[in-house]
Amino acid sequence: NAGVTQTPKFQVLKTGQSMTLQCAQDMNHEYMSWYRQDPGMGLRLIHYSVGAGITDQGEVPNGYNVSRSTTEDFPLRLLSAAPSQTSVYFCASSYRQTNQPQHFGDGTRLSIL
Amino acid sequence: SQKIEQNSEALNIQEGKTATLTCNYTNYSPAYLQWYRQDPGRGPVFLLLIRENEKEKRKERLKVTFDTTLKQSLFHITASQPADSATYLCARALSGNQFYFGTGTSLTVIP
Repeated sequence: NAGVTQTPKFQVLKTGQSMTLQCAQDMNHEYMSWYRQDPGMGLRLIHYSVGAGITDQGEVPNGYNVSRSTTEDFPLRLLSAAPSQTSVYFCASSYRQTNQPQHFGDGTRLSIL
Repeated sequence: SQKIEQNSEALNIQEGKTATLTCNYTNYSPAYLQWYRQDPGRGPVFLLLIRENEKEKRKERLKVTFDTTLKQSLFHITASQPADSATYLCARALSGNQFYFGTGTSLTVIP
């Protein structure tokens, strides 16, 4: 059972570079989301999607883009990386209702130099 | 603000004792509160969900309570074991599928 798969697991970028973090799920979940986790800040929602073709902003969307062309995939794009985007990024998926548990990937550890 | 706070950053307890973790929220009550466990280098794993109209929920050695008057949820692990050592996160779920997480409490169970 793959669940939620995130790639890459680690990445180092230089300031100004762009990159796409990949997220795929095989559970046919409508809802997918991206979080960043920083020490002392907890998990903060970046963007989320309630289905293919539908995305919306979360708490900290600036500097990130998303799209949802299929149910399975929800990539996160950093347009011009900044040191403040150094973080651990988690993708999660669930059925659409808010009473459903979220399934998380194991994260991408991103460092921006 | 949809703030959700977990009071303790770290909690150390002796094996066999009951661990109690606290989650407080501001503003109106969330429809649901969820609790997750996170191990180092891994993503959070769902443990329990409690609804606004439920006072208590149990799963094996885990128990969650929800007090809308105090705006608080308590998470209990009874007969704690070293394998229970992890970070525990609470999250409030709002309409529109937005979740807000607390910063987590790191639990260490000492043998």
